[in-house]
Amino acid sequence: AQSVTQPDIHITVSEGASLELRCNYSYGATPYLFWYVQSPGQGLQLLLKYFSGDTLVQGIKGFEAEFKRSQSSFNLRKPSVHWSDAAEYFCAVFSTDSWGKLQFGAGTQVVVTP
Amino acid sequence: DVKVTQSSRYLVKRTGEKVFLECVQDMDHENMFWYRQDPGLGLRLIYFSYDVKMKEKGDIPEGYSVSREKKERFSLILESASTNQTSMYLCASSIPQGFGYGYTFGSGTRLTVV
Repeated sequence: AQSVTQPDIHITVSEGASLELRCNYSYGATPYLFWYVQSPGQGLQLLLKYFSGDTLVQGIKGFEAEFKRSQSSFNLRKPSVHWSDAAEYFCAVFSTDSWGKLQFGAGTQVVVTP
Repeated sequence: DVKVTQSSRYLVKRTGEKVFLECVQDMDHENMFWYRQDPGLGLRLIYFSYDVKMKEKGDIPEGYSVSREKKERFSLILESASTNQTSMYLCASSIPQGFGYGYTFGSGTRLTVV
């Protein structure tokens, strides 16, 4: 079965610094991978997705992610964080068993300090 | 834009009550999902539906049921609410080929059972 691991439960970063969130997946075939962001009190918003082609994927809000098959990883990055990036971030992999369900990681809480 | 609307942002219910959480989407999506979100556990799938009157159990269906009488509406039912069902509940929808597009989420319903 597919699974997703986000090793970091909580990350604190200074405003203007770079950010990298880790995601590792377990999946036999080519995965369909997603990053979602959840701002406080809100639902989840899709940041970016990967399912084929260029392994470096650009998303909204200045985020990008790189798919590395050899490392089974799909890490999310942003060169310079803004205070508004404080949120919880979820990595997810699409399950290709019947009806295709998203399998989510446990999430990484990002705190941005001045 | 696709909108997924959850009828209540906050609910407080008593133990043993029957609770209905409503979700409506306005883009004619076939697939609809109910997730439960708890700190450190990420999102866990309760039930999903791929068509009217069709439903499938997710990873944690115990204590829950669902109803989908119309394509746009997917209801989650807690037959007899218990305190361990205190959580954030998120509804989502997608087209059948959802892997290419991900899901669209509602803003969530925070349920407290006392």
